[in-house]
Amino acid sequence: AQKVTQAQTEISVVEKEDVTLDCVYETRDTTYYLFWYKQPPSGELVFLIRRNSFDEQNEISGRYSWNFQKSTSSFNFTITASQVVDSAVYFCALSVPNSGNTPLVFGKGTRLSVIA
Amino acid sequence: DGGITQSPKYLFRKEGQNVTLSCEQNLNHDAMYWYRQDPGQGLRLIYYSQIVNDFQKGDIAEGYSVSREKKESFPLTVTSAQKNPTAFYLCASSIIDPTGDQYGYTFGSGTRLTVV
Repeated sequence: AQKVTQAQTEISVVEKEDVTLDCVYETRDTTYYLFWYKQPPSGELVFLIRRNSFDEQNEISGRYSWNFQKSTSSFNFTITASQVVDSAVYFCALSVPNSGNTPLVFGKGTRLSVIA
Repeated sequence: DGGITQSPKYLFRKEGQNVTLSCEQNLNHDAMYWYRQDPGQGLRLIYYSQIVNDFQKGDIAEGYSVSREKKESFPLTVTSAQKNPTAFYLCASSIIDPTGDQYGYTFGSGTRLTVV
C-alpha cells in the first residue's frame, strides 16, 4: 500500500524567512512519481513539480527547491525568502504506475501562513 | 484555454435533497476524479473514471453517485444518503499514458456545498 505523510499541519513564518515543508512517502515499488501541489485560498490546486523515482537530483525553480532523498523516503519542499503570496495549503502526492493506474495518494497537506 | 470547469462555485442543499455537481474538461484527458476536502482531512477520493461508461469507487463513495457518458463530463450526485455532505468538492483530470508515465492531475476550482 502507498502512503504519504505530511507531519506538519500548520506552519507560520515571517516574510523573508526560509521554510521547509516535509513529505515522507511509503511504497514498495521501485518506480513511482512524486508531486507537490499548491492550494491558494481560491481553492484550485496548482501543480508545482513532478519527480520520478529514478531522478534524485534536487531541483530549484526560483525561490522554490525540492530535496528528494530515497534513503529516507522523503521529498521535502523549501521556499526561500518567503512572501505573503506563498500562503496556501501545500500537498505532497505519490503515484505508483505498477499498481494499475490507481489514483494519486495525497498527504493531508500543510497550511503555510506567511506574515508580513 | 483548456481546463476543467466546475459549477456551481457555491451550492446550498436542503436536507433530504439530491444535488448534482458539474465537472467538464476540454483537455482530452482520459481519466477524471472527484475528491472531497474537509478541514484537516486532506483530499479524500470519492470516485474516479478512466474510460467512458466505467468508473470505480474511491475511499468514501457511500452516499455519492457518478456517471461518465462523455469523455468530457463527470458529474457527481450527492444523494440524501450522504450523512454529512457539507464540504469542498474538487474535480480533476489526467492523461493515461500507455507507457505508465505519470503526469499528475489538473484540478478544477471546486464547488463548496453547504447543507442548510
